[in-house]
Amino acid sequence: GESVGLHLPTLSVQEGDNSIINCAYSNSASDYFIWYKQESGKGPQFIIDIRSNMDKRQGQRVTVLLNKTVKHLSLQIAATQPGDSAVYFCAVLNSGYSTLTFGKGTMLLVSP
Amino acid sequence: KAGVTQTPRYLIKTRGQQVTLSCSPISGHRSVSWYQQTPGQGLQFLFEYFSETQRNKGNFPGRFSGRQFSNSRSEMNVSTLELGDSALYLCASSLQGHSPLHFGNGTRLTVT
Repeated sequence: GESVGLHLPTLSVQEGDNSIINCAYSNSASDYFIWYKQESGKGPQFIIDIRSNMDKRQGQRVTVLLNKTVKHLSLQIAATQPGDSAVYFCAVLNSGYSTLTFGKGTMLLVSP
Repeated sequence: KAGVTQTPRYLIKTRGQQVTLSCSPISGHRSVSWYQQTPGQGLQFLFEYFSETQRNKGNFPGRFSGRQFSNSRSEMNVSTLELGDSALYLCASSLQGHSPLHFGNGTRLTVT
């Protein structure tokens, strides 16, 4: 099976800082990785994804880095804003099916 | 394009009763997955349907069941409710495997 872990349950940053949220996975055969953001009272919202044939992918203010050697995934948020405050989950897709294994989540707190 | 719609948003049931939750996926999405979210266990996969067929099932008791209709809408049913079934139930849709899941805002089930 797959297990997905996050290093920090809570991350507190100042507005304007860069934030880095980390995630580790166990199955070296995993080939698709997704970051979600969940705000209070809402479902997880897709942020960015990356496939195992890539090491880095950039979106708007977000970058995902994948290190397959150590089975580590990170989400970098540039110039963090108060609206970025939420719980962030990494998820690993089991090859061949739409079954995501989620990490426990990191709560990002952004203070002005 | 409308997102994933889940109804109802909130439910309060008594132990021993049964409940049916509904999900309308994003138009054109044929895969529907269900997840249970609790503070203690996080997000856990229940089952996935594709073209009216259950393609994958998580590690939940047989009291949890689901189905998908020809228009891709899906329902899940929980029979003989237990206090521990209190959770946020999330539905997600995707075009197919290996594509991001898009979540609804969930149904908050409280069992008393």
